[in-house]
Amino acid sequence: EVQLVQSGGGLVQPGGSLRLSCSASGFTFSSYAMHWVRQAPGRGLEYISVISSNGGTTYYADLLKGRFTISRDNSKNTLYLEMSSLRPEDTAVYYCVKGGNTAMVNLPFDYWGQGTLVTVSS
Amino acid sequence: TVMTQSPATLSVSPGERASLSCRASQSVSSNLAWYQQKPGQAPRLLIYGASTRATGIPARFSGSGSGTEFTLTISSLQSEDFAVYYCQQYNNWPRTFGQGTKMEI
Repeated sequence: EVQLVQSGGGLVQPGGSLRLSCSASGFTFSSYAMHWVRQAPGRGLEYISVISSNGGTTYYADLLKGRFTISRDNSKNTLYLEMSSLRPEDTAVYYCVKGGNTAMVNLPFDYWGQGTLVTVSS
Repeated sequence: TVMTQSPATLSVSPGERASLSCRASQSVSSNLAWYQQKPGQAPRLLIYGASTRATGIPARFSGSGSGTEFTLTISSLQSEDFAVYYCQQYNNWPRTFGQGTKMEI
């Protein structure tokens, strides 16, 4: 059974940094791209980033480029999202999502983590 | 690619049929998915390829369309279907979602 278990959310001050983690099981993690998607409270879904199976290819939504960094450790079956210079508008539930066997392949999002809440506030 | 869903809220009774619309600002071919989200839960994939039901999704859910116009139809609403529904295109980058349609009783 595919499982994506997230951790690392919490309260952070504006301008601060935070790292989210997503621990994967039930599939060969190192063979699949992974994505991050977020959802502000009471709002819709916003795409953040994708990383290829070996970490060599990444893509970011333009609005977030430069502040967010996606990475992975295939030896630990774990995906990361490093967030810096955080703003109140980054407050959201962040989801990790299992991708396809290549980063840019056209596939829907079939497995999602449970989500982790990041609150940016002083 | 901007995805526009309508209506924002749909009020229906159990047993009724519901149709939700999704329009893309440019062609996404058939690379269109529908998701259902309930409060406090992650989205669940319902339909992909515009019309293919995901594993375990009941036959009362159906999707249609291609290019820029898509529809999700629920033939006979059950109590567990009251949720928010999102469309998503996975043809162009960045992947984008509609703003959602809230299905309420």
